[in-house]
Amino acid sequence: AQSVTQPDIHITVSEGASLELRCNYSYGATPYLFWYVQSPGQGLQLLLKYFSGDTLVQGIKGFEAEFKRSQSSFNLRKPSVHWSDAAEYFCAVGVYNFNKFYFGSGTKLNVKP
Amino acid sequence: EADIYQTPRYLVIGTGKKITLECSQTMGHDKMYWYQQDPGMELHLIHYSYGVNSTEKGDLSSESTVSRIRTEHFPLTLESARPSHTSQYLCASTRDTGELFFGEGSRLTVL
Repeated sequence: AQSVTQPDIHITVSEGASLELRCNYSYGATPYLFWYVQSPGQGLQLLLKYFSGDTLVQGIKGFEAEFKRSQSSFNLRKPSVHWSDAAEYFCAVGVYNFNKFYFGSGTKLNVKP
Repeated sequence: EADIYQTPRYLVIGTGKKITLECSQTMGHDKMYWYQQDPGMELHLIHYSYGVNSTEKGDLSSESTVSRIRTEHFPLTLESARPSHTSQYLCASTRDTGELFFGEGSRLTVL
């Protein structure tokens, strides 16, 4: 069965510090992987996606993610966090030719001034 | 900017009432989805549709029902709401690019 695990429920970082959010997936075939961000009271917005090719993908707002097949991971990174990055981040996997999408439980990011 | 809209954004109702959560998109997407979101939990797929007159139940059992008689419209109905239905409901749609576009959600509270 497909599943997505985000082991960190809450993370707090200082503004300007680097960030890494972890995501592991379970899926038998080649996964289509996504990171979404949700600000309070809002829907989810796509940050970046990986379908194939270069395993390091760039997204919006200065985020990047690296796909590691051997570790079944797709971790999200940002070199320098801004206060406006405080939000909840969701990792997702798309399966069956994008007919279904499975999400992790999210990581809530707090940014200290 | 996503063109997918959910109404109402917030709803507080009593037990036993019938409610309909509306979801509309103007992007012409064939695939639409309803997710249930609870704090600290993964988003659970409760319904999906691949086009007009096509609806399927998702992986999380839900007492709600959906319909898809127009491409742009995918409403969710609860015939008799209960406190266990209290949750946030997110509607989404996609073309086959893989990107899901989400509405802002409908937060339902059943007293």
